[in-house]
Amino acid sequence: DAGVIQSPRHEVTEMGQEVTLRCKPISGHDYLFWYRQTMMRGLELLIYFNNNVPIDDSGMPEDRFSAKMPNASFSTLKIQPSEPRDSAVYFCASSLLGVETQYFGPGTRLLVL
Amino acid sequence: AQSVAQPEDQVNVAEGNPLTVKCTYSVSGNPYLFWYVQYPNRGLQFLLKYITGDNLVKGSYGFEAEFNKSQTSFHLKKPSALVSDSALYFCAVRDLGNTPLVFGKGTRLSVIA
Repeated sequence: DAGVIQSPRHEVTEMGQEVTLRCKPISGHDYLFWYRQTMMRGLELLIYFNNNVPIDDSGMPEDRFSAKMPNASFSTLKIQPSEPRDSAVYFCASSLLGVETQYFGPGTRLLVL
Repeated sequence: AQSVAQPEDQVNVAEGNPLTVKCTYSVSGNPYLFWYVQYPNRGLQFLLKYITGDNLVKGSYGFEAEFNKSQTSFHLKKPSALVSDSALYFCAVRDLGNTPLVFGKGTRLSVIA
């Protein structure tokens, strides 16, 4: 199994630009999670989906952040407009059922200048 | 609400010595407990989990963890540390019925040759 796939691995952009992060979960997994990791705040859950439906987006910091899951094999996290404080590593994770182990992707390192 | 605490930001240990990374948790029901490891510039990797059964759980790379219900702890241990074990370690907990894992702040383990 290829594991959770994220793209791009690195993204450098300028403040005000739109940023789109992509995730392909492990095939067959029905839960997908988006996390953000920073030195100051640690690992934060942003949003999670079950069977492509958003279940809890209370961790999304602002309306500038949005996430979609149009099908079982693809999800996006979009930031528009981006700000320097959005600089972080963004992880996607997936699991089979809600109680099984979550498997993480390699992350996208975002730098907003 | 469920929570997890990792009381040590940093643990230093000499190569060949036993290591312990501490974790305590708080949940309203029976806990599902996990340990993950993060190497530099990588995603989180699953090490081991406790769901039910034996209090001593064995995982990847020679790690084990002991579930202690009375002390609400789930400390990570290894009998003999390797320099390659140096990484960031996360403890996580889930309450039955709550899907997302709640992660601790992480403990940075440094194994010195």
